[in-house]
Amino acid sequence: RKEVEQDPGPFNVPEGATVAFNCTYSNSASQSFFWYRQDCRKEPKLLMSVYSSGNEDGRFTAQLNRASQYISLLIRDSKLSDSATYLCVVNLYNFNKFYFGSGTKLNVKP
Amino acid sequence: DAMVIQNPRYQVTQFGKPVTLSCSQTLNHNVMYWYQQKSSQAPKLLFHYYDKDFNNEADTPDNFQSRRPNTSFCFLDIRSPGLGDAAMYLCATSRGYETGSYEQYFGPGTRLTVT
Repeated sequence: RKEVEQDPGPFNVPEGATVAFNCTYSNSASQSFFWYRQDCRKEPKLLMSVYSSGNEDGRFTAQLNRASQYISLLIRDSKLSDSATYLCVVNLYNFNKFYFGSGTKLNVKP
Repeated sequence: DAMVIQNPRYQVTQFGKPVTLSCSQTLNHNVMYWYQQKSSQAPKLLFHYYDKDFNNEADTPDNFQSRRPNTSFCFLDIRSPGLGDAAMYLCATSRGYETGSYEQYFGPGTRLTVT
């Protein structure tokens, strides 16, 4: 079983739409959670850390559900520039090691 | 200002010809990582260093080696590249969980082609 699982998509949405991605993780010892954005043929860039209480940054909202072992990313008012692959990343408690999901591809269309 | 720098950005090597990829950081982070990423796949951790302590992943082929001569630099050596080693190689850094910081910062990657 994979440590981190994501729906690969693609999610094809019109500009202005709201879209949500989920990610599940298998290890209950997971401590820290992140969403990264990766553009085609570029490196991953940190989008948001995910905190237990949930957090929001502009149009982006991240939630953590420890009981069900999933994290989510909500993007409101999608822009063309949001088109990318979104990687869910999980870190275990007291380990300098990160587990990546295979990414969810988002295409925002005019 | 570049914080994690990788050179070269593009590398072409011949089948079986050793190649070295380099990574440097200006963040003074304790941990440096090497990942391999193939098209439409998640980055796959090859190994990481906490300071000078080397941590190899169990499924990393012996063909891949790494060196970290100092805090700022880390190298990935591929001793005998095969066609299957063509990929993007990503270097990343983090402060380390011991500092309470878990975020990773990636370099721009080196795209390796094997002919």
